[in-house]
Amino acid sequence: GAGVSQSPSNKVTEKGKDVELRCDPISGHTALYWYRQSLGQGLEFLIYFQGNSAPDKSGLPSDRFSAERTGGSVSTLTIQRTQQEDSAVYLCASSRYRGSTGELFFGEGSRLTVL
Amino acid sequence: KNEVEQSPQNLTAQEGEFITINCSYSVGISALHWLQQHPGGGIVSLFMLSSGKKKHGRLIATINIQEKHSSLHITASHPRDSAVYICAVEGGATNKLIFGTGTLLAVQP
Repeated sequence: GAGVSQSPSNKVTEKGKDVELRCDPISGHTALYWYRQSLGQGLEFLIYFQGNSAPDKSGLPSDRFSAERTGGSVSTLTIQRTQQEDSAVYLCASSRYRGSTGELFFGEGSRLTVL
Repeated sequence: KNEVEQSPQNLTAQEGEFITINCSYSVGISALHWLQQHPGGGIVSLFMLSSGKKKHGRLIATINIQEKHSSLHITASHPRDSAVYICAVEGGATNKLIFGTGTLLAVQP
């Protein structure tokens, strides 16, 4: 596609359920980032992929959060046993360059609401 | 203290005014990004800087690596410039971005 695509755009779930969020980066972009933005808060780094490997997972808030990337393309962010504090907009961004962020291209985000 | 500080947090301007948003950081960086987020909208990359100055239309971004400071300027501001402007620095071994808390700009007609 022409841009970074994220799905679902909105997800409402009950506390304790698992959710999976998907990011389809721009074709050819080797770097992929997940961030989240809680209501009224700034952007928070979650995880960074270079190809299929994740050199930096330091931003994942707990072991309920995991992410993978396959084929150097699509990435999924999985949140297990969701909690209300997980409610946020989860943003994905991709970048062409290896070793340097380069210009970032953001998806529209997946808004997660945990009831 | 945050590693990336932006000022002001909120800014209201009249259409046509020259606007400056500042970003100071305390870590070593390889690049600095300015991002724009319209209300309810997605995030758009405006600039990526590692030195000097860049210009795109009415937007100008400068960085002083020695002083660990960057500025985003908007000339002849327009209501459509109303958005949150976010400074983010890239550094460390893994290119993780550290974000400022953003500057909410409102340009009134």
